Amino acid sequence: AQSVSQHNHHVILSEAASLELGCNYSYGGTVNLFWYVQYPGQHLQLLLKYFSGDPLVKGIKGFEAEFIKSKFSFNLRKPSVQWSDTAEYFCAASNAGKSTFGDGTTLTVKP
Amino acid sequence: DSGVTQTPKHLITATGQRVTLRCSPRSGDLSVYWYQQSLDQGLQFLIQYYNGEERAKGNILERFSAQQFPDLHSELNLSSLELGDSALYFCASSRGQGEAFFGQGTRLTVV
Repeated sequence: AQSVSQHNHHVILSEAASLELGCNYSYGGTVNLFWYVQYPGQHLQLLLKYFSGDPLVKGIKGFEAEFIKSKFSFNLRKPSVQWSDTAEYFCAASNAGKSTFGDGTTLTVKP
Repeated sequence: DSGVTQTPKHLITATGQRVTLRCSPRSGDLSVYWYQQSLDQGLQFLIQYYNGEERAKGNILERFSAQQFPDLHSELNLSSLELGDSALYFCASSRGQGEAFFGQGTRLTVV
């Protein structure tokens, strides 16, 4: 069965700290990978996506993610977080139109 | 603004009742997805329609049904509602296999 797992349920960081959120997927065949962010009280927004090509993808707001096929991973990174990055982050995978989301990681950034 | 419109924003109804949630996708998007977000289940994919046809099915209960109309708007029908159906229901739209753009959601409270 298709699945996406996010390793951390809640991450607390201080401003300027570096961030890495883990995501592993289990999918048969070709898969498209996404990271979405949900700010408090808002809808989900796309941070970045990977379809093919360069495994290091850059998204909005300084986020990037690396696709490592051998590890079935698509971890999200940011070198220096800001208070405004406080949000819930979802990793997702899609194949043949069906999407699977991870359970989400709540990031709290302390000023 | 993602361009995806969901109505109503909030809905309070009693157990056993039936409700209809509406979604208007972004202009030109043929795919519509429905998701349920609750505290205990996280973000769950329910169903996808593509140009009026059901494309993929996720964890959608038999009491729930959806359809996509010729003008591409979609409706999610929830019947015989239970307390556990209280959740945020998101609609998203996309073109092909691209990223999904999410609406603001409908918050359903079953009392």
